[in-house]
Amino acid sequence: KAGVTQTPRYLIKTRGQQVTLSCSPISGHRSVSWYQQTPGQGLQFLFEYFSETQRNKGNFPGRFSGRQFSNSRSEMNVSTLELGDSALYLCASSLAGPGANVLTFGAGSRLTVL
Amino acid sequence: EDKVVQSPLSLVVHEGDTVTLNCSYEVTNFRSLLWYKQEKKAPTFLFMLTSSGIEKKSGRLSSILDKKELFSILNITATQTGDSAIYLCAGNYGGSQGNLIFGKGTKLSVKP
Repeated sequence: KAGVTQTPRYLIKTRGQQVTLSCSPISGHRSVSWYQQTPGQGLQFLFEYFSETQRNKGNFPGRFSGRQFSNSRSEMNVSTLELGDSALYLCASSLAGPGANVLTFGAGSRLTVL
Repeated sequence: EDKVVQSPLSLVVHEGDTVTLNCSYEVTNFRSLLWYKQEKKAPTFLFMLTSSGIEKKSGRLSSILDKKELFSILNITATQTGDSAIYLCAGNYGGSQGNLIFGKGTKLSVKP
C-alpha cells in the first residue's frame, strides 16, 4: 500500500512569505502528526490531528498552523517566514495516534528560507 | 519537563565493529520507547519497547529497555556501511492519547 506522501519535497521561500505543506497519510490512518527537524534541535513536535481535530500541539508560535480534511489529508501552514524556519518538515501517520500506534513517516518537505 | 537524551551525538566506526547507542529518558506517564533509523529523509521504525529487560532483536540489531534506570540501548553488531544513518530514540508520554518526544539522534558513520 502507498506510504505517507508529502508535497512539495523541496521549496525555497524568502523571509516574510508564507508556505503551505501537504501530507497524505496511509489509507485508513486517521492521525497525522507534524514534526520540524533541524540539526541543532532534532525532531520537534508541531501538532497532531485526528478526525479533523487538533488533538495535541507543541511549543511553536502561532505562525505555525495546520488542519486536517475529512479524507485525513493534512496541511500545515507557516506564515511570515523567518530564517530559523528553515528545516525538514516531517509528517507521520498512524491509525489512532502516536501514543497508541507506531508512526509511519513521509520523506519530508525541505524548506529553505532566504 | 519531559526529555530524551541520546549519546553519543555522533560516532564513526569501521565495518565489522559493534556499536552501542544510548538513550535516557524522563517521560511522564511513560508508555513505550521507540527507535527509528533515518537514512535519507523518512525515519523508519526499528523497535518499540514496553517491558523492562526483554531484548528485541532484528538481524544484527537489538535493543533493550531498563525502566528502573530509565534508559535504553541499541546494539548493532558486525556493522556495515548500510548502517550509516541517524538513529532516533523517542519516548511515548501521555499514554494512548499522548505523543512522542524525540532525542536529537545519534549520527552513525560506518567506514569501509
